[in-house]
Amino acid sequence: DAGITQSPRHKVTETGTPVTLRCHQTENHRYMYWYRQDPGHGLRLIHYSYGVKDTDKGEVSDGYSVSRSKTEDFLLTLESATSSQTSVYFCAISEPIPGQEYGYTFGSGTRLTVV
Amino acid sequence: DQQVKQNSPSLSVQEGRISILNCDYTNSMFDYFLWYKKYPAEGPTFLISISSIKDKNEDGRFTVFLNKSAKHLSLHIVPSQPGDSAVYFCAAVSYTGTASKLTFGTGTRLQVTL
Repeated sequence: DAGITQSPRHKVTETGTPVTLRCHQTENHRYMYWYRQDPGHGLRLIHYSYGVKDTDKGEVSDGYSVSRSKTEDFLLTLESATSSQTSVYFCAISEPIPGQEYGYTFGSGTRLTVV
Repeated sequence: DQQVKQNSPSLSVQEGRISILNCDYTNSMFDYFLWYKKYPAEGPTFLISISSIKDKNEDGRFTVFLNKSAKHLSLHIVPSQPGDSAVYFCAAVSYTGTASKLTFGTGTRLQVTL
């Protein structure tokens, strides 16, 4: 077990409500990522973090915000959920070591349904 | 703009035969490529990778080939086993200035039949 957990695993919410997904790691990895998986699109990067309080946007960041107040937790917030944000969300962690293979480890995912 | 493409949504192979999964990319700045395997209701798990300075990497039954001039890579699984049935994603590594990131293909669903 790579020490990365996502919560909740499943959530159904109503359009217009705020939603926060949590990613927790015990690996002390510097880099953390949020991806969403949709049919026909693979996994697409939403936001990522390169340190505590250091975050940046990915390719599909509209409608999402993130926060990282401590190394182990990376939160993804949908300020006002829409049906287009129905998806499976994956968190990933990474701590590349120079000269070695890239190691990205993914959580088990959160299935979010916006009705 | 899909920078990493997997043009075959699905593939069916008989047990014991070779499975070949293909991936094409458009960005010549990608310098590392990874293959992930994904079962339903689980996160992707790392399978094998290849650096852009190599043309082949092998790990047991899995071999990845890279053709930089064609911007094409392939994953070979020999022999295929029923437990290999899953969705396979090709991913490419690039840099944002603050971190590395993965760009994924759309995935190929492999079914290994008895």
